[in-house]
Amino acid sequence: AQSVTQPDIHITVSEGASLELRCNYSYGATPYLFWYVQSPGQGLQLLLKYFSGDTLVQGIKGFEAEFKRSQSSFNLRKPSVHWSDAAEYFCAVGSFSGGYNKLIFGAGTRLAVHP
Amino acid sequence: SQTIHQWPATLVQPVGSPLSLECTVEGTSNPNLYWYRQAAGRGLQLLFYSVGIGQISSEVPQNLSASRPQDRQFILSSKKLLLSDSGFYLCAWSVKQGGGYTFGSGTRLTVV
Repeated sequence: AQSVTQPDIHITVSEGASLELRCNYSYGATPYLFWYVQSPGQGLQLLLKYFSGDTLVQGIKGFEAEFKRSQSSFNLRKPSVHWSDAAEYFCAVGSFSGGYNKLIFGAGTRLAVHP
Repeated sequence: SQTIHQWPATLVQPVGSPLSLECTVEGTSNPNLYWYRQAAGRGLQLLFYSVGIGQISSEVPQNLSASRPQDRQFILSSKKLLLSDSGFYLCAWSVKQGGGYTFGSGTRLTVV
């Protein structure tokens, strides 16, 4: 069965510091992988996605993620965090199953940014 | 371009009252549609999905129901709300295969 693990529930970084949010997935075939961001009281916004090809994916807001098949990971990175990046981040793995796109979400990582 | 609308943004309802949340999608046809719930401090739980008009699948047993009366309209309902129905409800759509989801802005439901 598919699953997604985000090991870090909360992360706090200083503004300007680098960021890495971890995501591990379990899936039998090549997965579709996604990172979403959710600001308080808002819906989820897609940051980036991996379907195939280049394993380093660039997204919006200066984020990138790297797909590592050997580690079943899809970690999200940003070289310099801004205060506006404080939000909750969700990793998801997707498949086409039962006639629909099925996304399984991780439990999320809440990011706090110190000035 | 495609847009997804969800309303109302917030709702406070007494226990035992009915519920109707509406979601519509513009700029695409025959989308897959989804309802998720996000309880306080918890992740996203898929409640219902629909691959076409009148086709509803439920992921978890619960006090809620969903309907899709038109191609781009998805409604979440309840006849009698419970306290445990409180949460943040998100509607989403996707293409038929191979894509991610686009989410609406959500409805904050508080049952009192």
